[in-house]
Amino acid sequence: EDQVTQSPEALRLQEGESSSLNCSYTVSGLRGLFWYRQDPGKGPEFLFTLYSAGEEKEKERLKATLTKKESFLHITAPKPEDSATYLCAVLANSGYALNFGKGTSLLVTP
Amino acid sequence: ETGVTQTPRHLVMGMTNKKSLKCEQHLGHNAMYWYKQSAKKPLELMFVYSLEERVENNSVPSRFSPECPNSSHLFLHLHTLQPEDSALYLCASSQATGLAEAFFGQGTRLTVV
Repeated sequence: EDQVTQSPEALRLQEGESSSLNCSYTVSGLRGLFWYRQDPGKGPEFLFTLYSAGEEKEKERLKATLTKKESFLHITAPKPEDSATYLCAVLANSGYALNFGKGTSLLVTP
Repeated sequence: ETGVTQTPRHLVMGMTNKKSLKCEQHLGHNAMYWYKQSAKKPLELMFVYSLEERVENNSVPSRFSPECPNSSHLFLHLHTLQPEDSALYLCASSQATGLAEAFFGQGTRLTVV
């Protein structure tokens, strides 16, 4: 059975304090790994797709990386507007839809 | 106009009521999904449709009944719900099932009283 585990559950950073979020996964053949951002009361917003180990994607202060067992979302010099819940999901070769982790709730304080 | 639109945004219903949630996508996608999001739980996949045909029903109780009249519209019909069904219901679409990223609507916050 596919499993996605995100850590930490919650993270509080000061503005400018860089850190990383972790997504560990177990899947029978990875088609893709996805990162989303979700603001309170809203639907998830797509950020990145990673397909193979060693792949990296960047967008503003965010960089996502992928290994055979986990993915990291690195946040460089975060700002308060980066505060949100970050969701990781995997798509198996045999799957129809994304399988999500519980998310990491990030709070960036000024 | 956003890619995936859900209505209503908020819904309060009694356990004996019948209501429907609506989702419309303007992205030209062929696959649509219903997910349930409860506090402290990961998003739970409920139903998957590909070209209007249901391809997955993830052990969802029969009080939830999906309908996909065409590839742009998806409904979730609700009847005799329980308080534990209160959650954020999210609709998503993608180019095809098992292929690419999904794009989500803003969700319907459902409260069952």
